[in-house]
Amino acid sequence: GENVEQHPSTLSVQEGDSAVIKCTYSDSASNYFPWYKQELGKRPQLIIDIRSNVGEKKDQRIAVTLNKTAKHFSLHITETQPEDSAVYFCAARAGYGNYGGSQGNLIFGKGTKLSVKP
Amino acid sequence: ETGVTQTPRHLVMGMTNKKSLKCEQHLGHNAMYWYKQSAKKPLELMFVYNFKEQTENNSVPSRFSPECPNSSHLFLHLHTLQPEDSALYLCASSRLGTDTQYFGPGTRLTVL
Repeated sequence: GENVEQHPSTLSVQEGDSAVIKCTYSDSASNYFPWYKQELGKRPQLIIDIRSNVGEKKDQRIAVTLNKTAKHFSLHITETQPEDSAVYFCAARAGYGNYGGSQGNLIFGKGTKLSVKP
Repeated sequence: ETGVTQTPRHLVMGMTNKKSLKCEQHLGHNAMYWYKQSAKKPLELMFVYNFKEQTENNSVPSRFSPECPNSSHLFLHLHTLQPEDSALYLCASSRLGTDTQYFGPGTRLTVL
């Protein structure tokens, strides 16, 4: 089955610096890669996602890159702010589910605790 | 956010107790999920329901029993739990044919 590795487990940056979190996956059939942000005591929330037919996607200060050949994808946060402090989870969808299309199950990485120091 | 709600938010129970966790989604979704979140471990998928039918049981012990009476409600019945079952239990929902899963706030469970 799918296995997702996430690094680093903790990351501390100075406000204004960039942060990069990397994930690798094992199932070459995986085709959907979301990133979730979980603030302390709150629910995970989707911040950006990418599909296997795209190599990069940006949304303001957040970007995700995907290298299908190497089976890894990364989250890039530029101009970090204290409110970016949270745990970030990557995930990969292990192929297609029972209804075809896009309903496979998500396999999550262990998370990265990002601290942005003012 | 009120799209996916969970009750109770916190639960302390003994190993011989029976309790239930409830999840409700108001997003018109037709797939619902239970996840377990333990410290320093990835989110673990427990159960998946599509159109009220269970499609995934990820080798979860029988002391956890899910119930999905309709597409909007999901329960997790707990019985004879162990201290290692203490964790944050998250419910999520999605619309079949789309990718995004929306999470509830979770129930923080402590088993004494």
